[in-house]
Amino acid sequence: DGGITQSPKYLFRKEGQNVTLSCEQNLNHDAMYWYRQDPGQGLRLIYYSQIVNDFQKGDIAEGYSVSREKKESFPLTVTSAQKNPTAFYLCASSISSDSYEQYFGPGTRLTVT
Amino acid sequence: DAKTTQPPSMDCAEGRAANLPCNHSTISGNEYVYWYRQIHSQGPQYIIHGLKNNETNEMASLIITEDRKSSTLILPHATLRDTAVYYCIVRVEPTDSWGKLQFGAGTQVVVTP
Repeated sequence: DGGITQSPKYLFRKEGQNVTLSCEQNLNHDAMYWYRQDPGQGLRLIYYSQIVNDFQKGDIAEGYSVSREKKESFPLTVTSAQKNPTAFYLCASSISSDSYEQYFGPGTRLTVT
Repeated sequence: DAKTTQPPSMDCAEGRAANLPCNHSTISGNEYVYWYRQIHSQGPQYIIHGLKNNETNEMASLIITEDRKSSTLILPHATLRDTAVYYCIVRVEPTDSWGKLQFGAGTQVVVTP
């Protein structure tokens, strides 16, 4: 089955630690995205990548970093510089950056204490 | 600044049609209206999109007013599995020519037996 996988579903970390969230897709999509969702709110774009070895900051990139070394993988690192890292993180992909449909993964719920 | 306005919540009886309104009075001529939905603790799912003509697919119908300042998503026969947050999105077309999805708070739809 084609799709997007995110792991783990729940992640707990201590304050001051960096943590990397995994996102893998086997849809052969060029574009990939990371969103953050806080309780009762919509999604906010953190980073996006239109193609391998290229990525751009979204609306709330501070305290986050990404890499896109392979087409199918787009890991997100939440650094200790992110002041409020506890949130629901969603990864998505689309055939290209201007295609009409983005496919979302199941999300990772990160709790930092 | 908000591109769309949706009611925060609405209820619908199972088997009845659910009509979800969205205002987008500042929409530009080349901007599309998209609808996604998000079932609790899952990633959003694409439903439908349109420019100015009404659209229908296996999930829903989209009715866009002639002046394009508002639209309505219609779920023809709501089921309990349609309980979700529904997002109306106007696709931003920034100068770097890629389409970003701007998610607002959406409408929480609860389908009751």
